[in-house]
Amino acid sequence: NTGVTQTPKFRILKIGQSMTLQCTQDMNHNYMYWYRQDPGMGLKLIYYSVGAGITDKGEVPNGYNVSRSTTEDFPLRLELAAPSQTSVYFCASSYLEQETQYFGPGTRLLVL
Amino acid sequence: GENVEQHPSTLSVQEGDSAVIKCTYSDSASNYFPWYKQELGKRPQLIIDIRSNVGEKKDQRIAVTLNKTAKHFSLHITETQPEDSAVYFCAACNYGGSQGNLIFGKGTKLSVKP
Repeated sequence: NTGVTQTPKFRILKIGQSMTLQCTQDMNHNYMYWYRQDPGMGLKLIYYSVGAGITDKGEVPNGYNVSRSTTEDFPLRLELAAPSQTSVYFCASSYLEQETQYFGPGTRLLVL
Repeated sequence: GENVEQHPSTLSVQEGDSAVIKCTYSDSASNYFPWYKQELGKRPQLIIDIRSNVGEKKDQRIAVTLNKTAKHFSLHITETQPEDSAVYFCAACNYGGSQGNLIFGKGTKLSVKP
């Protein structure tokens, strides 16, 4: 298993542009999560999914959308990028709800 | 909703000393408390966790204690080594309840001086 993978590693966006952050896991985990990490602010949950076809909002969902068409993939969509979305984005997965969350390597996004 | 406070924000110790990081939580129904370690430029990784039916858990040089009455939990690292230098995050959640997702503290940057 390669675990949780994310692409791209780094991206610069102009205000108003859109992009999709990709996340894939090969551990057959049911639960998948998207977090953003701002300096000195810890991790904030954006969206999560408990299985294919099921997604729900986290703490900070505004400006983002997700889909979960397969168990393996959980892409995060930014429709109209804003400077406030400059952050490091981590995808994570876990087999069950109260189990270890395994994080991907992160995507660093800069919106100018 | 749940709120997690973490202290201190930075901690510097000499190699071989002990380090203690404390977190408080607001939701008395929270029942799962993991700790994650994040090295510079790397992803967070779980180092230890504790559930509400246990007061203490140890794993080699790392231990976590939980005081449900006071709603706080702590990470203890003994015999610190330079490779323990990282940012440590605590988290809390109420699995099975209204707040079933991890709420993270803001992190503690631990520096171990050789």
